[in-house]
Amino acid sequence: ETGVTQSPTHLIKTRGQQVTLRCSSQSGHNTVSWYQQALGQGPQFIFQYYREEENGRGNFPPRFSGLQFPNYSSELNVNALELDDSALYLCASSARLAGGPASPWLVHEQFFGPGTRLTVL
Amino acid sequence: GEDVEQSLFLSVREGDSSVINCTYTDSSSTYLYWYKQEPGAGLQLLTYIFSNMDMKQDQRLTVLLNKKDKHLSLRIADTQTGDSAIYFCADLRKDTGRRALTFGSGTRLQVQP
Repeated sequence: ETGVTQSPTHLIKTRGQQVTLRCSSQSGHNTVSWYQQALGQGPQFIFQYYREEENGRGNFPPRFSGLQFPNYSSELNVNALELDDSALYLCASSARLAGGPASPWLVHEQFFGPGTRLTVL
Repeated sequence: GEDVEQSLFLSVREGDSSVINCTYTDSSSTYLYWYKQEPGAGLQLLTYIFSNMDMKQDQRLTVLLNKKDKHLSLRIADTQTGDSAIYFCADLRKDTGRRALTFGSGTRLQVQP
């Protein structure tokens, strides 16, 4: 158990709809990252939030957006759902290192939640 | 995940050692990680190694890093049926601002009783 929780566990939507997924961070962690894991693939980085601001984004279109709240919990919103958005969505929480060995912005030891399985029909 | 490559499948007998291999391309990688994913579950962080180390041992797990060849391996001693899962290697790269993990496609480990 990592202490990272996600809701809902499963979700079915149709093309064109919008979806909101939620994540609660592990206590003491101020950084949340979201990943998309398609079937049979490794997770791919969507974006990261630190102190309520987006702090890095992967190769995903703007219809993927997020929020981080003062208690460090987070939401992932996806608009205009497409069939290819069907995947397991994982959030990971971490404590951002200050003055780490390689970079002050290094984010180490990301702890993952159980994921939300999204099916788009 | 094409910058981190893993073999797809490994089958071993219970009690044997398992060795899962991974190659990566980014020489600026600082930390390299091994995660375990059981069916229908999220990712469990197993262990990690900092790039200035050659080896790290943690109970039944041994991580070996060959920086010259950009090769990472995870050895599981005395493999048990409960070790059956998908294992992902991942690195923390400079081109993501050392923020995002870049994962391989995973190696499915099957442990035969």
